[in-house]
Amino acid sequence: NAGVTQTPKFQVLKTGQSMTLQCAQDMNHNSMYWYRQDPGMGLRLIYYSASEGTTDKGEVPNGYNVSRLNKREFSLRLESAAPSQTSVYFCASSEWASGISTDTQYFGPGTRLTVL
Amino acid sequence: GESVGLHLPTLSVQEGDNSIINCAYSNSASDYFIWYKQESGKGPQFIIDIRSNMDKRQGQRVTVLLNKTVKHLSLQIAATQPGDSAVYFCAELSLLKLTFGQGTILTVHP
Repeated sequence: NAGVTQTPKFQVLKTGQSMTLQCAQDMNHNSMYWYRQDPGMGLRLIYYSASEGTTDKGEVPNGYNVSRLNKREFSLRLESAAPSQTSVYFCASSEWASGISTDTQYFGPGTRLTVL
Repeated sequence: GESVGLHLPTLSVQEGDNSIINCAYSNSASDYFIWYKQESGKGPQFIIDIRSNMDKRQGQRVTVLLNKTVKHLSLQIAATQPGDSAVYFCAELSLLKLTFGQGTILTVHP
């Protein structure tokens, strides 16, 4: 059981370039999430997918798009990268995002992105 | 807006001591709180959680206390070990979303 995996681990982009961050989970979880973590701050939710076929905006969605490709995979796309998007990006999954259940989120190892 | 924050950004303790990490929250409607541990270069790792209808919950070497009157959450680590050195985040769950605090850096000296 690999848990939550993310690729790539590191990436450097130039302003205006695009890229897709990949995330996969093998725990048969229904819900998946993308967060960013900036120095001195906690994680902030970018987008989430409560179940396969649905996606919703989180706290900081501007400049990002997501795709829930199937139950296992949830990708995050930067169409035109900006220096403000330099951050560490974490993907997470949980069994169910009912908002009521005590539902633990499991995190991947992160992708360190630098936009020059 | 609603926020979750930590009183102390850093905490240094000696190995074997007990550690207490504090967290203040402002969303009184949150019904679920979680503590995460994040080691350098890794993603957050679940430690312990507590529902809003509870005051205390114990795990292995860890205890979480919730004081809803003053909107305060704490994480107690007993007999702290060097392997406990990490950043600790509290988070609150409201509807489908986790809101994280800034984090406390815990350093354990041998």
